[in-house]
Amino acid sequence: QQQVKQSPQSLIVQKGGISIINCAYENTAFDYFPWYQQFPGKGPALLIAIRPDVSEKKEGRFTISFNKSAKQFSLHIMDSQPGDSATYFCAASIEPGGYNKLIFGAGTRLAVHP
Amino acid sequence: DAMVIQNPRYQVTQFGKPVTLSCSQTLNHNVMYWYQQKSSQAPKLLFHYYDKDFNNEADTPDNFQSRRPNTSFCFLDIRSPGLGDAAMYLCATRGGGNIQYFGAGTRLSVL
Repeated sequence: QQQVKQSPQSLIVQKGGISIINCAYENTAFDYFPWYQQFPGKGPALLIAIRPDVSEKKEGRFTISFNKSAKQFSLHIMDSQPGDSATYFCAASIEPGGYNKLIFGAGTRLAVHP
Repeated sequence: DAMVIQNPRYQVTQFGKPVTLSCSQTLNHNVMYWYQQKSSQAPKLLFHYYDKDFNNEADTPDNFQSRRPNTSFCFLDIRSPGLGDAAMYLCATRGGGNIQYFGAGTRLSVL
C-alpha cells in the first residue's frame, strides 16, 4: 500500500515532442506528489509538485496532471529538449510523526533525441 | 551555491573496512535524511533525523549507523561494508515545507 508504481521504465522522444510519464498509488493518506529530476552523477532535484486538491499544475514546459479518484498522476514535458534527458522519479509524501517520508517510484529514464 | 554538500564525492573502501560519509547543509533545516541509491533504482530511505531525534527505517541493516553532532552536519557510518553496499549515498534536508533538498551524493565502491 506504500508503493508508487511508475511507467514506463524508459522513454525515447524526439526533440520537440511530448514526454509523458505515469504514476499510480494506493495509499489515500499521501498528500503531496513531487517529481524529481536526476542527471547522471547528481542528486535528485525537485522539478514540480502537486497537492491532491488540484487537478493540474503547470510550470513552464512541465505539467502535472492529477486524478484523485483514479489515484494516478502524470508528468508531461512539452517541447522536449535534449537537455531534458535524465531520470525522472515520481514520489508521494506521507508524514508519519511529522517528518515527511518520500515514497519514490522506480524511475523513468528519458532520452530526447535531436 | 550548493546548499547540501556531501563529501567525498567518491569513496573507495575495502570489504569490511569501516567508512564514514559526511553531509553538511547551509539551510538550517531541522530534518536530515540519508538515502541509498543503487544503479538504476530509486533512492531508498535509510534513516532520518528530526533535530536530534534519530529514526531508523525498519529494513535498514544494523551495519549502517548515523551521527548528527549539530544542525549543520550529519554522518553516515558503515561499520563493515560488504560488496552489496556499493551504491550512491544521498543526503537530503527538509525545512518547514515539503521540499527535500538533495546533495550530489557520494558514490561508494567496495573492493
